[in-house]
Amino acid sequence: DGGITQSPKYLFRKEGQNVTLSCEQNLNHDAMYWYRQDPGQGLRLIYYSQIVNDFQKGDIAEGYSVSREKKESFPLTVTSAQKNPTAFYLCASSPSLPANTGELFFGEGSRLTVL
Amino acid sequence: DAKTTQPTSMDCAEGRAANLPCNHSTISGNEYVYWYRQIHSQGPQYIIHGLKNNETNEMASLIITEDRKSSTLILPHATLRDTAVYYCIVRATDSWGKLQFGAGTQVVVTP
Repeated sequence: DGGITQSPKYLFRKEGQNVTLSCEQNLNHDAMYWYRQDPGQGLRLIYYSQIVNDFQKGDIAEGYSVSREKKESFPLTVTSAQKNPTAFYLCASSPSLPANTGELFFGEGSRLTVL
Repeated sequence: DAKTTQPTSMDCAEGRAANLPCNHSTISGNEYVYWYRQIHSQGPQYIIHGLKNNETNEMASLIITEDRKSSTLILPHATLRDTAVYYCIVRATDSWGKLQFGAGTQVVVTP
């Protein structure tokens, strides 16, 4: 079945360590996104990519990095510079125009806890 | 993109219709209204969207006022599985998938 796969689902890390969250999609979508969600809050956009080898900062990009070497993959690295990395991270994708109706397809999320 | 205002929470009895309001008084002519929902600890799920006409699909109906300053999502026969946070989002047609998610409305469906 087509969809978005995020891994790992749960991740524990020590403070000061970089961690990389995986996001893979087989929907043949051009655009991919990373959102962060804190308890009781809505989603905030970290980075997005509209095409391979290109990406843009979202609203809260500081302390994060991404790459887009393949259409199917958009990994997110949470660096030691991110002051409050403990959160629920969601990856999403969407087709490009004109098929883009604004609907985002989300993965099941990765919950990162920094000890 | 225009901001939206939703109630923090609401309860609904199983089998009854759930009417979720959303205010978007600063909406522009090229902005659509989207609704998503998020069941606890899962990724958000798209429900429906519209520009100015009322819309219906297998999940819900979307009623947009004539002045487009508010809308209502209707779940016709709520079930326990509809318990979730519901997000109302306004998005311009040229802003790709950069959706601005607020805190949403926590809907609890009770037996």
